[in-house]
Amino acid sequence: DAGVTQSPTHLIKTRGQHVTLRCSPISGHKSVSWYQQVLGQGPQFIFQYYEKEERGRGNFPDRFSARQFPNYSSELNVNALLLGDSALYLCASRGTPSSWEQYFGPGTRLTVT
Amino acid sequence: AQSVSQHNHHVILSEAASLELGCNYSYGGTVNLFWYVQYPGQHLQLLLKYFSGDPLVKGIKGFEAEFIKSKFSFNLRKPSVQWSDTAEYFCAVNVGNAGNMLTFGGGTRLMVKP
Repeated sequence: DAGVTQSPTHLIKTRGQHVTLRCSPISGHKSVSWYQQVLGQGPQFIFQYYEKEERGRGNFPDRFSARQFPNYSSELNVNALLLGDSALYLCASRGTPSSWEQYFGPGTRLTVT
Repeated sequence: AQSVSQHNHHVILSEAASLELGCNYSYGGTVNLFWYVQYPGQHLQLLLKYFSGDPLVKGIKGFEAEFIKSKFSFNLRKPSVQWSDTAEYFCAVNVGNAGNMLTFGGGTRLMVKP
């Protein structure tokens, strides 16, 4: 079975640009969460989506947005990139929002120069 | 808001040594507790979890953790580490019974010398 997939693997952007990261959950999973992992720190929760609706949001500015599509895949968008946005962005999927186990993807490494 | 502290940022052990990684959280209500592991070049994987019941939980690869409610702690242990345990370990908590979000600690990087 395919696990959570994310694209692209690596990305380099310039300050002020916009970026879109993509995630496909495990087949049958309807909930997707996004996390930011800055080098040397643990992952920080950004968003959770279930059935195309936002179910939770972490302490991130409005420059961060996300959406979920009918096939349960998801996009994370970040506008007006800052150097501090450089991080590994992780996607995790679970069957339902209340499911205890979530499965993480390999992440997208974003570098902002 | 809840927070998670992992006191050891880097740990170096020789093979066969015993391991204990500390984890403390700040939240007075019902919590679900997790340990995740990230091997070099691999995804975050669940090692073990605690929801309720026996406070001593066993996970994969010989790891176990003990939930001590009075100390707000959930320390990870392994009696005898192997070189293959070299990885970064993250403690995480979510509040109540909602799978809404995980709050992670800063991680502990473990290096096991052969």
